[in-house]
Amino acid sequence: DVKVTQSSRYLVKRTGEKVFLECVQDMDHENMFWYRQDPGLGLRLIYFSYDVKMKEKGDIPEGYSVSREKKERFSLILESASTNQTSMYLCASSSRGLGNNEQFFGPGTRLTVL
Amino acid sequence: DQQVKQNSPSLSVQEGRISILNCDYTNSMFDYFLWYKKYPAEGPTFLISISSIKDKNEDGRFTVFLNKSAKHLSLHIVPSQPGDSAVYFCAASGSSARQLTFGSGTQLTVLP
Repeated sequence: DVKVTQSSRYLVKRTGEKVFLECVQDMDHENMFWYRQDPGLGLRLIYFSYDVKMKEKGDIPEGYSVSREKKERFSLILESASTNQTSMYLCASSSRGLGNNEQFFGPGTRLTVL
Repeated sequence: DQQVKQNSPSLSVQEGRISILNCDYTNSMFDYFLWYKKYPAEGPTFLISISSIKDKNEDGRFTVFLNKSAKHLSLHIVPSQPGDSAVYFCAASGSSARQLTFGSGTQLTVLP
């Protein structure tokens, strides 16, 4: 059974804290993605990576950074958390193929920044 | 600028009837389309997809229709069941892209 796992289901942090969200996939996928989901806005792409140590900005990268040191692991970093980063964060992965891009999602991390 | 739009935030349907969820797109480079289903506190799961070389794809109770000239696709669920109650996201991709562009989602409620 293929899996994408995320380090926490729920997380509460204070404004200004550094936050790490981790994602691991066991499908040997090349591509990994971080989204945030907000009511009425759907899924918005923050960053993605198509190979180890490679990263590309998505639609809303401001306030975030990422790290991909190993193929199976993709980390999202909030350098200084702010209240407007309270959201559901979803990690996904897909195989290298372009176009036919079914993505597999983790269960999500509900982050609250106080 | 939303390239993928789901204009109905919510839809309620009686059990056993047809559910029709709609999606419009603006980017003519999109040539692969997917529908995902999401339950609360879970990640989205893939439901069905369609390539632009087709105008219909069917999988059990789920059928996706694509009208390229109108840049419109729809998901039909027949018959609808209470377990189908979830948020449905439409997504699109171009053949040279790795990423998907998602719509804002439609909350489907199937009433028993």
